[in-house]
Amino acid sequence: QQQVKQSPQSLIVQKGGISIINCAYENTAFDYFPWYQQFPGKGPALLIAIRPDVSEKKEGRFTISFNKSAKQFSLHIMDSQPGDSATYFCAASGFGNEKLTFGTGTRLTIIP
Amino acid sequence: DAGVTQSPTHLIKTRGQHVTLRCSPISGHKSVSWYQQVLGQGPQFIFQYYEKEERGRGNFPDRFSARQFPNYSSELNVNALLLGDSALYLCASSPEPNTEAFFGQGTRLTVV
Repeated sequence: QQQVKQSPQSLIVQKGGISIINCAYENTAFDYFPWYQQFPGKGPALLIAIRPDVSEKKEGRFTISFNKSAKQFSLHIMDSQPGDSATYFCAASGFGNEKLTFGTGTRLTIIP
Repeated sequence: DAGVTQSPTHLIKTRGQHVTLRCSPISGHKSVSWYQQVLGQGPQFIFQYYEKEERGRGNFPDRFSARQFPNYSSELNVNALLLGDSALYLCASSPEPNTEAFFGQGTRLTVV
């Protein structure tokens, strides 16, 4: 019940395209859902986060879509650029379970 | 503004030795968490501290311990190092638990 399942494991998108990464959770006590971007040898960087009171949040080229009934959330990267090539992790936490539970990661490659 | 700082950045230790890793959170943040990230996997929760009290502990052996100081900095101690302890150790700081968490660059520990 503590798992966060992430897919796909790897993703190749052409420059200018839309990158979509999906996550699903089981613990209904989760109420905070961040996405992190990680480059090799670096710590994860917080990209964008959402709470269940909204179904979508957009910041620049990054959008989180959240489906509470399906217990799923996704990251959309619009106009994907080569600099977006990195590993992306979804995560979740909640009151009484305040640690971040991470997904397994998606290696995104943007090709010219 | 200074982000989360961790020291040292790299460390090589011999099996059986102990190690101390240090973390300074973002100014004003009172919660510090520690995560272990093995190559190719998502970060795994080790400890969370808030206002100098332990708030949570992950599924790690008693060889792992941590503490938070009055200035909210933290240290992670690992005794009797094993080869399997080789990983990137990440510190994250938050204003309080279950809010946005910002990671440091990590300490790369290699046990030989």
